[in-house]
Amino acid sequence: DIQMTQSPSTLSASVGDRVTITCRASQSISNWLAWYQQKPGKAPKLLIFKASTLQSGVPSRFRGSGSGTEFTLTISSLQPDDFATYYCQQYNTYSWAFGQGTKVDVK
Amino acid sequence: QITLKESGPTVVKPTQTLTLTCRFSGFSLDTTGVGVGWIRQPPGKALEWLALISWNNNKLYRQSLKSRLTITKDASTNQVVLTMTNMDPVDTATYYCARHVIPAGVPADYWGQGTLVTVSS
Repeated sequence: DIQMTQSPSTLSASVGDRVTITCRASQSISNWLAWYQQKPGKAPKLLIFKASTLQSGVPSRFRGSGSGTEFTLTISSLQPDDFATYYCQQYNTYSWAFGQGTKVDVK
Repeated sequence: QITLKESGPTVVKPTQTLTLTCRFSGFSLDTTGVGVGWIRQPPGKALEWLALISWNNNKLYRQSLKSRLTITKDASTNQVVLTMTNMDPVDTATYYCARHVIPAGVPADYWGQGTLVTVSS
């Protein structure tokens, strides 16, 4: 199985900060990578698919990049609504997988 | 409007079989490219992808749980069913179903609210 590793596990930031989260795959997944945002007690929300395509309705401050084994999610200017946990997911192979999550909390 | 809703038992005993149903509306599993998948989340832990069934009845499973999982669909009644055998306390989690649009490369774009399943004797 392809393993997904996110870093950092926790990130403390302030409103207005530029935030970057990294996701690494144990083998190449081309661009079959998605990013989700999850708030406590809620279902995840799709932010980005195919590594860099913004899901409809998602603010443009969210940007995804990368291909192969290394990917990043960047929030250009953190907003109060962005404090949450973020997950990457690969969907390249016969057995998909999520990363372990990155919690973005208040500095 | 696309909606999905999970249903099933809230408590199961160890060794029992769990059967969860995802009822959806606003899309059809007869439509080329559409799939419905299951994802779970143990309390306080990360998301775990479990299984996916596509419009053409293609099925994918989490490799480590493949022997315990079965996913089926009934497109006429807009339902997808996930069964998991030999339940254990470590399977305690919130179970979600979600729509996928596969050829377009869109994973889980619509999610159900989730259903908490506790495994306890």
